[in-house]
Amino acid sequence: DQQVKQNSPSLSVQEGRISILNCDYTNSMFDYFLWYKKYPAEGPTFLISISSIKDKNEDGRFTVFLNKSAKHLSLHIVPSQPGDSAVYFCAASANSGYALNFGKGTSLLVTP
Amino acid sequence: NAGVMQNPRHLVRRRGQEARLRCSPMKGHSHVYWYRQLPEEGLKFMVYLQKENIIDESGMPKERFSAEFPKEGPSILRIQQVVRGDSAAYFCASTGQGNTEAFFGQGTRLTVV
Repeated sequence: DQQVKQNSPSLSVQEGRISILNCDYTNSMFDYFLWYKKYPAEGPTFLISISSIKDKNEDGRFTVFLNKSAKHLSLHIVPSQPGDSAVYFCAASANSGYALNFGKGTSLLVTP
Repeated sequence: NAGVMQNPRHLVRRRGQEARLRCSPMKGHSHVYWYRQLPEEGLKFMVYLQKENIIDESGMPKERFSAEFPKEGPSILRIQQVVRGDSAAYFCASTGQGNTEAFFGQGTRLTVV
């Protein structure tokens, strides 16, 4: 059972524009959400996180929005850069970081 | 380099052999997690260990798979009598006490031929 879903397997965005990656979850016990970025043949790299007590967290070009009532979160990257091209995984946990549940990932391509 | 270290990066095993995957957590981290990524899939939680203790192994297959994190040395994920379906990338992550962001190693890509 996939408790974290990323319904868009891929996304293509022009350099300088906004990239919006979406994630839905089904488990209402999830209280901590993270985004990881992954390049081929490398491990996931932590990008940004948000606790369920917040609805927005911003770090430079990256902002994560959480809508608990819709069980939905999104990652905004603005402006997008070619170096942002990677697979982005959404993850969630029910114990603030323990046993992460991952989505299948969205492959982002930022074109010049 | 104080990051999570996994070795080997690539491992090829024939069906029926044993595979041993090693993970050294980040310096100061005492919590280790193993994840498996099958092709076209996200990472699936396998097991959570602290030093000398298995905290949660709910994601581990019931047979052939085992994990340990001894008092000294790296965490080991052991797969006995490997089958082709075990071919995947295995990632290890670590966290410190109270930390919420897990830091991942580069993974071990296991190929069973």
